[in-house]
Amino acid sequence: LAKTTQPISMDSYEGQEVNITCSHNNIATNDYITWYQQFPSQGPRFIIQGYKTKVTNEVASLFIPADRKSSTLSLPRVSLSDTAVYYCLVGDPGPDNYGQNFVFGPGTRLSVLP
Amino acid sequence: DGGITQSPKYLFRKEGQNVTLSCEQNLNHDAMYWYRQDPGQGLRLIYYSQIVNDFQKGDIAEGYSVSREKKESFPLTVTSAQKNPTAFYLCASSMWGAKKETQYFGPGTRLLVL
Repeated sequence: LAKTTQPISMDSYEGQEVNITCSHNNIATNDYITWYQQFPSQGPRFIIQGYKTKVTNEVASLFIPADRKSSTLSLPRVSLSDTAVYYCLVGDPGPDNYGQNFVFGPGTRLSVLP
Repeated sequence: DGGITQSPKYLFRKEGQNVTLSCEQNLNHDAMYWYRQDPGQGLRLIYYSQIVNDFQKGDIAEGYSVSREKKESFPLTVTSAQKNPTAFYLCASSMWGAKKETQYFGPGTRLLVL
């Protein structure tokens, strides 16, 4: 499994764009990159997933360079309610690796200040 | 509403007692998972199941047991062999063999030792 490295914590202010970078130097050809968000005392929630280049949804954007050794989660104009822990996961969704892909490290604790 | 439910929200265990945490899903997902989360830490995989009547150990299975008699249900038993059971327990489910596999989490059960 590709190991991921993220900053332990980040601070931001309301209305700013936040970029959280995840390093995954050993990413394999079939691996996808997935980000989850977790609020205190709740289960993680899927935010976005991508394989290469850029993916955007109503919540966030995910930027993946050509070498795929890192990825950046971008949260536009954060609010206080975006204060949470954000996890970067890398894994192969194929059935042969089933169940082995969901390694949640400590994540990045984002604090949005007023 | 489709989703995953966990019960109870809080559970207290006495020394030497076995306790069972419930997890039910109506998403028609084949795969189900149990994670443990300690304060300020990421999630660690306890057990997972790809299909009814089959399950696999995760990274920290010792002191835990599971069953998968129905597709919708994946109960976790914390046995007396688990010497440090105090934690937040999360159940999740996902589609089997989906090209882009993502997990859906329940609200969690917090287990405390008396």
